[in-house]
Amino acid sequence: AQRVTQPEKLLSVFKGAPVELKCNYSYSGSPELFWYVQYSRQRLQLLLRHISRESIKGFTADLNKGETSFHLKKPFAQEEDSAMYYCALRQAGTALIFGKGTTLSVSS
Amino acid sequence: EAGVAQSPRYKIIEKRQSVAFWCNPISGHATLYWYQQILGQGPKLLIQFQNNGVVDDSQLPKDRFSAERLKGVDSTLKIQPAKLEDSAVYLCASSLQEDQRETQYFGPGTRLLVL
Repeated sequence: AQRVTQPEKLLSVFKGAPVELKCNYSYSGSPELFWYVQYSRQRLQLLLRHISRESIKGFTADLNKGETSFHLKKPFAQEEDSAMYYCALRQAGTALIFGKGTTLSVSS
Repeated sequence: EAGVAQSPRYKIIEKRQSVAFWCNPISGHATLYWYQQILGQGPKLLIQFQNNGVVDDSQLPKDRFSAERLKGVDSTLKIQPAKLEDSAVYLCASSLQEDQRETQYFGPGTRLLVL
């Protein structure tokens, strides 16, 4: 069965520290992987997708098919990065399958 | 462009009552999704529409939940009768096409509390 696992419910870091939000998935085939973010009082929005191979707000994520992982990383966390982050996968023609989410808290 | 609109934003009902949620997707978006997000969980798909046809409703509890998108634009999701475990945020999302690469845009959600 397709599944997305985010092992950490909460990740607390200090401003300027590196951040890594973990995501592992189980799927046979070639899914597309995404990171969605929800800032306080805002709607869920796409942060980045693996196929774009781009950096958004300083975040990057690399798909590791061998380890079935898609960890989200940022070298220097900012307070405005505090939010709920969801990893998700999607196969052709279907809806997103989300992990349970990780709350990132960045303090000064 | 206007985003996905949902109403109401909040709803409190008693168990066994009925409730309906409304979603207006982004103009021109053919695909519409309803997700249920229980506290502490990620969103879970309830039903997916492509225009006015159902693509996937395998996780919709059909004994109490129903959804329609009659003209291929707006959609309504209904729960009748509601149970305590239906307390959740109901998210509507839309995308231009069904393609897996298409970005899904989410509405603000409707927060339902069943007492």
